[in-house]
Amino acid sequence: EERLVESGGGLVQPGASLRLSCAASGFTFKNYIMTWVRQAPGKGLEWSSYISISSSTIFYADSVQGRFTVARDNAKNSLFLLMNSLRVDDTAIYYCARMRSGHSISSYYFDLWGRGTLVTVSS
Amino acid sequence: SYVLTQPPSVSVAPGQTARIICGGNNIGSYTVHWYQQKPGQAPILVVHDDSDRPSGIPERFSGSHSGNTATLIISRVEAGDEADYYCQVWDGVGNHCLFGGGTKLTVL
Repeated sequence: EERLVESGGGLVQPGASLRLSCAASGFTFKNYIMTWVRQAPGKGLEWSSYISISSSTIFYADSVQGRFTVARDNAKNSLFLLMNSLRVDDTAIYYCARMRSGHSISSYYFDLWGRGTLVTVSS
Repeated sequence: SYVLTQPPSVSVAPGQTARIICGGNNIGSYTVHWYQQKPGQAPILVVHDDSDRPSGIPERFSGSHSGNTATLIISRVEAGDEADYYCQVWDGVGNHCLFGGGTKLTVL
């Protein structure tokens, strides 16, 4: 069974750092682009980061650019998100998701999601 | 910045057809994908590339895309279809992903 399992969430104070992990199993992790998507309580989905197969290409949403760092370890089938300078509005469930290429150029979608890990930023 | 617009809510009786719209300026230039999210659960992909259905998704789920509107169509709606639905595109120019604000489908 293909699975993604996130971990590392918790309660932190504003300005703190946190490292999220995502463990992949049941598929060849190194063959897929990966991403992090977050969802604030009661709100919609917000994409945050993209990392290519070899880690050579990385994109971030403007809301996390300069504070978050996405990384992967293909040998360990793992995806990471290092979050620095956390703010109250970073409070959300963080999902890792597998990306697939669509039929057209520059079209991507997310075909496998983890259950998410909750990050709460509060003083 | 580019914005995808969805109605906050749609209501439909069981057995009827639900249509959830996703609008955006020049959305015809993008390929649209759709997700279903039930309370307390992760999203799941229900339609990709405007109208393709992943394996395991019932044929009742379909999609269309015309002009400045993409539509998720759910035929013969069931109580179990009650969920939030999100449209999504990838902006290849800005290299980022956009989600619509989500539509809550209520089955009356």
